[in-house]
Amino acid sequence: EAGVAQSPRYKIIEKRQSVAFWCNPISGHATLYWYQQILGQGPKLLIQFQNNGVVDDSQLPKDRFSAERLKGVDSTLKIQPAKLEDSAVYLCASSHYVGRTRSDTQYFGPGTRLTVL
Amino acid sequence: KQEVTQIPAALSVPEGENLVLNCSFTDSAIYNLQWFRQDPGKGLTSLLLIQSSQREQTSGRLNASLDKSSGRSTLYIAASQPGDSATYLCAVPNSGYALNFGKGTSLLVTP
Repeated sequence: EAGVAQSPRYKIIEKRQSVAFWCNPISGHATLYWYQQILGQGPKLLIQFQNNGVVDDSQLPKDRFSAERLKGVDSTLKIQPAKLEDSAVYLCASSHYVGRTRSDTQYFGPGTRLTVL
Repeated sequence: KQEVTQIPAALSVPEGENLVLNCSFTDSAIYNLQWFRQDPGKGLTSLLLIQSSQREQTSGRLNASLDKSSGRSTLYIAASQPGDSATYLCAVPNSGYALNFGKGTSLLVTP
């Protein structure tokens, strides 16, 4: 079974520029997550999709970050304009949806390392 | 709001030692708890998932325990090897199943 795919793996941009990250989850996984991991910290949820609907985007800085999951498969996360503090690894994860009484293992992609200069 | 804490932040041991990593969480109403491994420049690999009804899970040289009432979990690694060097993260899901992570324990196993 293919894992979660992400691209690009690395990106360096100047502050105030825009950037986009792409994620392709494991086939058949209805739930997709974007996490931000700042150096020395654990990952923090940015947004969670169930199929193509948003479940939780409470920690997404909506003035600069946006995400979409068209057709309930691939997802794109965009930052516009980027700030220095956005330098981090952006991780995409996916899981089966097994209902409200039980959760399932999340599988993570390799991440995109963003450096904002 | 669920807070997850991991102790120690870093650990260095000689090869062959048994070791314990600790994880604590503030809200005991959890569905499960997961332990992940993260290698430098890589994503996260799930090691063990303990459901809330379970007390422990084992996989090879790894054993994870869960005590919901006290808000604690431990990851026991037996006979450590240099290949075990990595950052170990524990995480508990929120009501929507997204994960709340600790900051991790950075483990170095020296030959």
